[in-house]
Amino acid sequence: DAGVIQSPRHEVTEMGQEVTLRCKPISGHNSLFWYRQTMMRGLELLIYFNNNVPIDDSGMPEDRFSAKMPNASFSTLKIQPSEPRDSAVYFCASSLDAHRQFYSNQPQHFGDGTRLSIL
Amino acid sequence: AQSVTQLDSHVSVSEGTPVLLRCNYSSSYSPSLFWYVQHPNKGLQLLLKYTSAATLVKGINGFEAEFKKSETSFHLTKPSAHMSDAAEYFCVVSGRTSGTYKYIFGTGTRLKVLA
Repeated sequence: DAGVIQSPRHEVTEMGQEVTLRCKPISGHNSLFWYRQTMMRGLELLIYFNNNVPIDDSGMPEDRFSAKMPNASFSTLKIQPSEPRDSAVYFCASSLDAHRQFYSNQPQHFGDGTRLSIL
Repeated sequence: AQSVTQLDSHVSVSEGTPVLLRCNYSSSYSPSLFWYVQHPNKGLQLLLKYTSAATLVKGINGFEAEFKKSETSFHLTKPSAHMSDAAEYFCVVSGRTSGTYKYIFGTGTRLKVLA
């Protein structure tokens, strides 16, 4: 049973370059979350999709960040241009419909993350 | 509003001794609570979840947690620590914010297991 799949696992790039992170959620899950984890700020929710539609992007740091979910099995998080302060581990997670109270106790399943280093 | 507090940022135990990781929550209604474990360079793995069916919840790898409404606590325990339990543990409450159920994470407890 495949879990959440993220790629790449590691990314090292220079400041100013475009970075694209990818996520494949668990089949059948229709809620998808992007998180960022740093030592200073812990885990932060960046954006949440439900049925491929962005529901809450209030955690996206600034316009340099964008996320898309073109279909139920794929999502991307893009940073353009990248800056050293974007260095972090980025996680994708999926769950059953987080919009519905019936599923409020359904857990989120996390990928192994992408460790991003911006030089 | 929902919140969660992990009372210890670091816990050290000897191998074979009990583990206690403490978590207190705040919620205006019956919460959904979870414990996750994160090993180095890995994602968060679900250990167990509380869904109001039973106050004592059993999870994977011998972990369990007890929901105590009167104390607003959801502490994680294990009778005997193993070296492989060394990791960071997160207590999570699922809260409704702006019509959506979101995770509210504790700040994490790093468990060290001494040989």
